[in-house]
This record gives sequence, C-alpha cells and structure tokens, in this order.
Amino acid sequence: DVVMTQSPLSLPVTLGQPASISCRSSQSLVYSDGNTYLNWFQQRPGQSPRRLIYEVSKRDSAVPDRFSGSGSGTDFTLKISRVEAEDVGVYYCMQGTHSPFTFGPGTKVDIK
Amino acid sequence: QVQLVESGGGLVKPGGSLRLSCAASGFTFSDYYMTWIRQAPGKGLEWLSYISGSGSDIYYADSVRGRFTISRDNGKNSLYLQMNSLRAEDTAVYFCARYPRWPDYWGQGARVTVSS
Repeated sequence: DVVMTQSPLSLPVTLGQPASISCRSSQSLVYSDGNTYLNWFQQRPGQSPRRLIYEVSKRDSAVPDRFSGSGSGTDFTLKISRVEAEDVGVYYCMQGTHSPFTFGPGTKVDIK
Repeated sequence: QVQLVESGGGLVKPGGSLRLSCAASGFTFSDYYMTWIRQAPGKGLEWLSYISGSGSDIYYADSVRGRFTISRDNGKNSLYLQMNSLRAEDTAVYFCARYPRWPDYWGQGARVTVSS
C-alpha cells in the first residue's frame, strides 16, 4: 500500500500569517492516464471532511483562493496564504492513484 | 444539490453484524462510483471500499476484505455496507462519499460502536 506522510502533524499559526503543510507518498502518484490523484481535505471540529483541492492543484468551487496546492510525483504541499479563524481543523492529504487509496495522518491547524 | 445521508449505525457486540445505508440525492446515482471511508474516535481517515455505478467493479481494503460487503440499489439511489464479524477496532464513524479517487461529497457519517 502507498504510505502517505504529512509534516508537521501540529501547526500553530498566527492569524493573517501564511501556513504550509507537506505531504509525501511512498510511490509516485502519477496514474496511467497521466493525471496525479492527490487530494487535500479539511475537517473542522465535529464536521465531515470537505474537499479543498483535487488533482494536486485544482481548487474546489467555494474554496477561498487563499488555499493552494502544488507538487508532483511524490512531494506535495498545501499552502494557506493568510490564515483565518475558520481555517482551524485537521488537514488530510489523500492519494487516489493506487488501490487501496490512502490518507495521510492529518495535520492539526490551530491558532497561536 | 448533492446530498448523502448515512443511517443504520449503532451499538453491536463483537462478532455481530450491522448494515449501513447511504441515501443519495441531487445527482444521477447510477452514473457514479461510490465509496465508504471510516474514522475511529480521535483518529484519522481510513478508506475502506468502492463500487462502480453498475456494481460490477468492487474493491476492498485488506482491513475489511472478507468481512464487509459493499453493494448498491440504483433504483433506490442507495449505497450499502454490510458489516459482519465486527471487532472492537471497527468502532468508528462511517462516511459514504462520491468518487473514490477524489471524494467530492461526503455524508454526515454513521457512528458504529462495537462493544460487549
């Protein structure tokens, strides 16, 4: 199975400051169709996960443009340009390239 | 709008069985692969299984293969997860979602507790 790792696992941030989360996979996530199925999810306390980013860098509709995704192969990053209070929660990367699909352990973002 | 609503969770003894349902609306259910994902208390997300729109393509994670069965009824716009031989470590919130490779819509979850 593909192992997904994230760092850091805990990220205290200052409101208005940028934040960055790294996600690495144990194998390349480039699928046979040429696409890279790397997703990012946000889970606010007490809520279901919400998809923010799919295929590395495509932002879902209604997701603020302060969220961006980048990377390739085995190395990916989620960036928040200016953290707001509503961004508190746990962020997961997930690969949808190799079955079984797998999630990273999650990065808990809270406000300093 | 797309809605997914899970039901059927509850308390079950080790070795027991439970069937979860996921009622879908707001999209053409039979056109989409669907998936089940779970989250143990205070833990991360674990992908479990997917099923194609026709039901002919099915995959399970090793942790549930042989014990859980995914199925669907396109006439009822419903997805199911039959869970047998339940263990304490199956205690979790179970989510249904659309599109296994890039889950875009998720339900609110069904809580399953396996305890004597």
